[in-house]
Amino acid sequence: KQEVTQIPAALSVPEGENLVLNCSFTDSAIYNLQWFRQDPGKGLTSLLLIQSSQREQTSGRLNASLDKSSGRSTLYIAASQPGDSATYLCAPRDSGAGSYQLTFGKGTKLSVIP
Amino acid sequence: GAGVSQSPSNKVTEKGKDVELRCDPISGHTALYWYRQSLGQGLEFLIYFQGNSAPDKSGLPSDRFSAERTGGSVSTLTIQRTQQEDSAVYLCASSFRDMNTEAFFGQGTRLTVV
Repeated sequence: KQEVTQIPAALSVPEGENLVLNCSFTDSAIYNLQWFRQDPGKGLTSLLLIQSSQREQTSGRLNASLDKSSGRSTLYIAASQPGDSATYLCAPRDSGAGSYQLTFGKGTKLSVIP
Repeated sequence: GAGVSQSPSNKVTEKGKDVELRCDPISGHTALYWYRQSLGQGLEFLIYFQGNSAPDKSGLPSDRFSAERTGGSVSTLTIQRTQQEDSAVYLCASSFRDMNTEAFFGQGTRLTVV
């Protein structure tokens, strides 16, 4: 069964700082991995989808990397802003027979201080 | 519609009552997922639909939970004889196909059982 760990659980940084969020997963048999953000009381907003054959994916100030063989992904946020404050979730999509379900970690709660 | 739509956004029900939660996926999306997010917990997979069939129901916590999907579109999650431990946010997601495409989430239904 896939297990996902996100470190740190919480992070507080001053505005403008670059930061890295870490995600590790136990089963490397995945199709892809998706990063989401969740604002309090809201649903999930998709940030980046990185396929298993890719090493990196970029969108604006966000860059996600994937090392499938070692079961790790990182999300790099450049020049952080207060609006980036949210909980960030990573979710690998399993390639085992069945549902191709996304498995979630508990997330990293990010606070960007003005 | 432009995104995944869930209704109601909030539902308060008495213990022992039945509830129905609705999900309207993005038009044309064949894959549909239900997840549950309890306070302080990660997202828990419930069920996956491909079209109108549910090849993976492994996450449904008990036989009080059921779901159906009609016309390859709208899905309903039904909880019978609700219990206090059913209180959670229920999230629906859809994607164009199963493996390699991005999953998009709705805003969720917050269920409170009193």
